[in-house]
Amino acid sequence: NAGVTQTPKFQVLKTGQSMTLQCAQDMNHEYMSWYRQDPGMGLRLIHYSVGAGITDQGEVPNGYNVSRSTTEDFPLRLLSAAPSQTSVYFCASGAGTYNEQFFGPGTRLTVL
Amino acid sequence: AQKVTQAQTEISVVEKEDVTLDCVYETRDTTYYLFWYKQPPSGELVFLIRRNSFDEQNEISGRYSWNFQKSTSSFNFTITASQVVDSAVYFCALSEVDDMRFGAGTRLTVKP
Repeated sequence: NAGVTQTPKFQVLKTGQSMTLQCAQDMNHEYMSWYRQDPGMGLRLIHYSVGAGITDQGEVPNGYNVSRSTTEDFPLRLLSAAPSQTSVYFCASGAGTYNEQFFGPGTRLTVL
Repeated sequence: AQKVTQAQTEISVVEKEDVTLDCVYETRDTTYYLFWYKQPPSGELVFLIRRNSFDEQNEISGRYSWNFQKSTSSFNFTITASQVVDSAVYFCALSEVDDMRFGAGTRLTVKP
C-alpha cells in the first residue's frame, strides 16, 4: 500500500497562476480532506469530502476548489494563486472523521 | 464551530524530564473524538492516539500518557522521561461530524 500520495512535493507559482495539487489514496477511505499548515496556526481545514461526488467547505476554503469523482482521488485547485497561499498543504484520508487520519507527505507551495 | 487551544507554543526540557502538553477544546456536540498527532522535524504527521467523548479513561502507552477530563474540556498529553527523539511539534485535534480541527501545535525541544 502506498497510503496517501501527493504531487508535486514542491511548487513555485507566480501570482495569478493556477494549478492543481494531486492527492490519491489506496486504502478505500471514504473521507478525504485538505489542510494547509502555516507557522503558528496549526493545520487548517480547506475542503473535505465524505465520499465520491460529495465535497464541502472547511475553515479556509476561499481561493480553492475541489472535486471528488472517484474514491481514490481528491485534487485541490488553486484558481488564481496569491502570496497568501504560500503554505504547506497536506492531504489526508480516513474511514471517517472519527477515525485516524492518514496524511500525505505534503506539498510545499510558494507563490511569488 | 469547534475550537482547539494549545496555549503552549514552545516547550524546552532536558532529557529525562517529564513534560505535559496541554489541550483545551470547545464543542457543542455530545459526540466527538479527540486526537494527538506528532510532527517530527522530517515533516510527516504521525497519529498517536484517539479518544471518544464517552470514554474518560486515561491511557498509557509506554512513556506516553493521556488525561481526558470532560469537566474541564481538556485532553492533556504527558511524556515521561523525555528523550531527544521526542523533539517534534505536537498537535491536538477535535473531530465532530465531517469536520476535524487542529490546535496551533506545541513545539517540544528535548535537549541532551
